[in-house]
Amino acid sequence: GENVEQHPSTLSVQEGDSAVIKCTYSDSASNYFPWYKQELGKGPQLIIDIRSNVGEKKDQRIAVTLNKTAKHFSLHITETQPEDSAVYFCAARLNTGNQFYFGTGTSLTVIP
Amino acid sequence: NAGVTQTPKFRVLKTGQSMTLLCAQDMNHEYMYWYRQDPGMGLRLIHYSVGEGTTAKGEVPDGYNVSRLKKQNFLLGLESAAPSQTSVYFCASQEGGRFFSGYTFGSGTRLTVV
Repeated sequence: GENVEQHPSTLSVQEGDSAVIKCTYSDSASNYFPWYKQELGKGPQLIIDIRSNVGEKKDQRIAVTLNKTAKHFSLHITETQPEDSAVYFCAARLNTGNQFYFGTGTSLTVIP
Repeated sequence: NAGVTQTPKFRVLKTGQSMTLLCAQDMNHEYMYWYRQDPGMGLRLIHYSVGEGTTAKGEVPDGYNVSRLKKQNFLLGLESAAPSQTSVYFCASQEGGRFFSGYTFGSGTRLTVV
């Protein structure tokens, strides 16, 4: 299967600063990379995703970049706000099935 | 539109007891999944289903069974609970045929086995 590593495990930033979370994957056959945000006591919620034929995707203050050669992808959050505080998970999906392989999560704290 | 609903939200079991976790989705999704979430280990797939009447093993299936008798429901059973099964369980669904779509998750079931 696929192995997804995520760093850092915890991240604290000042409000207004940027936050970057990085993931690497092992199988070059992975072709879809979603990011999830999980707030306390809730299930993960999809916030952005990227396909393997795209290098970057933006949605307002969040963006994801993908480097297929290096097999890593990153989540970028700009102008962070306290409501961005949550646990973020990256995931990868092989082109042979629907199963997602998740990273171990990053706990982001935005300090007002 | 409720999305994915999990019941119960919390449960405490004694070692050796059995229980069933229910997942219901109202989005007519083909695919459904059961994950467990443990500190420092992310989300790990237990079992999944690609359609009514079908089930398959995921990464950590031992000690669990599942059934998908109706398209909208996916049940996760623990026949003889063990402390190692203390975890938060998430159900997810996904639209069939859309290979570049994410999951819709439920809000989770926190299970403690004592």
